[in-house]
Amino acid sequence: GQQVMQIPQYQHVQEGEDFTTYCNSSTTLSNIQWYKQRPGGHPVFLIQLVKSGEVKKQKRLTFQFGEAKKNSSLHITATQTTDVGTYFCAGQPNTGNQFYFGTGTSLTVIP
Amino acid sequence: DSGVTQTPKHLITATGQRVTLRCSPRSGDLSVYWYQQSLDQGLQFLIQYYNGEERAKGNILERFSAQQFPDLHSELNLSSLELGDSALYFCASSVDQGYTIYFGEGSWLTVV
Repeated sequence: GQQVMQIPQYQHVQEGEDFTTYCNSSTTLSNIQWYKQRPGGHPVFLIQLVKSGEVKKQKRLTFQFGEAKKNSSLHITATQTTDVGTYFCAGQPNTGNQFYFGTGTSLTVIP
Repeated sequence: DSGVTQTPKHLITATGQRVTLRCSPRSGDLSVYWYQQSLDQGLQFLIQYYNGEERAKGNILERFSAQQFPDLHSELNLSSLELGDSALYFCASSVDQGYTIYFGEGSWLTVV
């Protein structure tokens, strides 16, 4: 069945260090979305990637969609304590309507 | 505030009981999604409705059912509750498939 795997599951970084989380799908995706969930909060939409090889930036966050549209990454440059939370990817396969969420990467930023 | 309203925020009930979780989507959104989030299972998609019709089904148990009403609000019914059903249940909405999904603050269900 459809699976979206995300690594690492946990990441602890010193404030100012970079952070990357990777998302891999077992099947080709039509698009992928990224969400951030703060501790005790609800997932908040960050961005959607649609095109093969697409790269989008939001301030210190860089999102990439792989050429084969089966993987994606989120890179945060110079992390801050406000970046703490769990980052989820959610992929929509070419066939079917639902989004499959990755397992999430929990980011801890040590001041 | 995402604009998605969920009630109740917290609920404690006994095993074997039945509960109903309610969701009002953002104004103008036709799609409603239900998710279950537990510590060991992550974020699990349960079911999606679009304009009153079921559109996609995920890992939803037979003891669970949902519906979307003509006014677009949705209810998730959980019956014969088990301890393992304790989780945070999120409702989310979007204009349509492929658009930004906005999550509500969730309903915490504790089964004792």
